[in-house]
Amino acid sequence: ETGVTQTPRHLVMGMTNKKSLKCEQHLGHNAMYWYKQSAKKPLELMFVYNFKEQTENNSVPSRFSPECPNSSHLFLHLHTLQPEDSALYLCASSQPGLAIETQYFGPGTRLLVL
Amino acid sequence: AQKITQTQPGMFVQEKEAVTLDCTYDTSDQSYGLFWYKQPSSGEMIFLIYQGSYDEQNATEGRYSLNFQKARKSANLVISASQLGDSAMYFCAMREGNTNAGKSTFGDGTTLTVKP
Repeated sequence: ETGVTQTPRHLVMGMTNKKSLKCEQHLGHNAMYWYKQSAKKPLELMFVYNFKEQTENNSVPSRFSPECPNSSHLFLHLHTLQPEDSALYLCASSQPGLAIETQYFGPGTRLLVL
Repeated sequence: AQKITQTQPGMFVQEKEAVTLDCTYDTSDQSYGLFWYKQPSSGEMIFLIYQGSYDEQNATEGRYSLNFQKARKSANLVISASQLGDSAMYFCAMREGNTNAGKSTFGDGTTLTVKP
């Protein structure tokens, strides 16, 4: 596989469930990101990992818990979510230090919280 | 203050015609990068084109070109010879000079519809 992959592509969960989103990048990058995209709102950066270390937590509620076991994989663990957490969750990767540090995105996970 | 402003929520263009999507930005950094992404209904954000603040020439990438006017702080995307497959949401983004790991600020997006 190439690029950035995300699983699952669609997820429906209740407010008491626990689920995890997975992101994998095959680009050899060392930075990975989670973004939230709600309807009619701009893309919101949630977390940034740089060489497996979390370098940014954009005031995200603790019901979202990221995990980055290595530079190629990024998880977002979800528990006791709210209906307003329903959104498209996008993962991205980039290579720090390049002159043009482009972020490459995965296809996203569409999450519906009931 | 919003760092990236896209004033056109929606745009229509006839197939085979050119269209310009507006983007203005706000930064006090001298070094920054501007990006355009395309997001089809499938959800994936596709990188289109990049313009660096020190680049003297406007960036071009196939049918995409970036009309970079530094003094006006604008970075408009021009799509020539529109195709039906160009119908999508388009986002302008900026990465400022000292931002770690390529963190970018995104605009609200413009929905482009190409008419046959």
